[in-house]
Amino acid sequence: SQTIHQWPATLVQPVGSPLSLECTVEGTSNPNLYWYRQAAGRGLQLLFYSVGIGQISSEVPQNLSASRPQDRQFILSSKKLLLSDSGFYLCAWRFGTAFGEQYFGPGTRLTVT
Amino acid sequence: AQSVTQLDSHVSVSEGTPVLLRCNYSSSYSPSLFWYVQHPNKGLQLLLKYTSAATLVKGINGFEAEFKKSETSFHLTKPSAHMSDAAEYFCVVRRAADYKLSFGAGTTVTVRA
Repeated sequence: SQTIHQWPATLVQPVGSPLSLECTVEGTSNPNLYWYRQAAGRGLQLLFYSVGIGQISSEVPQNLSASRPQDRQFILSSKKLLLSDSGFYLCAWRFGTAFGEQYFGPGTRLTVT
Repeated sequence: AQSVTQLDSHVSVSEGTPVLLRCNYSSSYSPSLFWYVQHPNKGLQLLLKYTSAATLVKGINGFEAEFKKSETSFHLTKPSAHMSDAAEYFCVVRRAADYKLSFGAGTTVTVRA
């Protein structure tokens, strides 16, 4: 069976510091990978998605970037965090089924102070 | 474009009574629809999915949903609420062009003892 991991689970970072969040998927190959942010009262916002190694698409221009150095690894980064980057970050994966459901990781709670 | 509207932002029920969460969809073709549940500070868990195979879809934890094309609805029900059902629920539609997901605003369920 497939498993998705995210770490760290929680993170408190000062404004202006760098960020690296990691997501890995086990039990599948060549998944589509997604980063979402869930801010209080704003629902889920798709940030980035990737259909393969080195292939990243950005949904909204912002202070964040993503990379996919390996098939089942997806990294969310920032060089300098802003207060508005606070939120709950969720990674998800989708296999190439016709139905399109995504499976979510446990999330990372980021607080920028 | 495909979208969903969750008609209730908050639903409160007593333990042991039925739960009804309402969702209407907008789509020019036969959609793929999903319900997800999110417990506090957790990732989203797929409850069930509609893929046009059957209009009544059974999911995990006793939940089911009925697809009604004439009403453009996909309401989620459970005959008897349990305390562990207290969570936020998202109705989701898959976008046809790119398999991305479009989320409803969410319904928070409170279960009273």
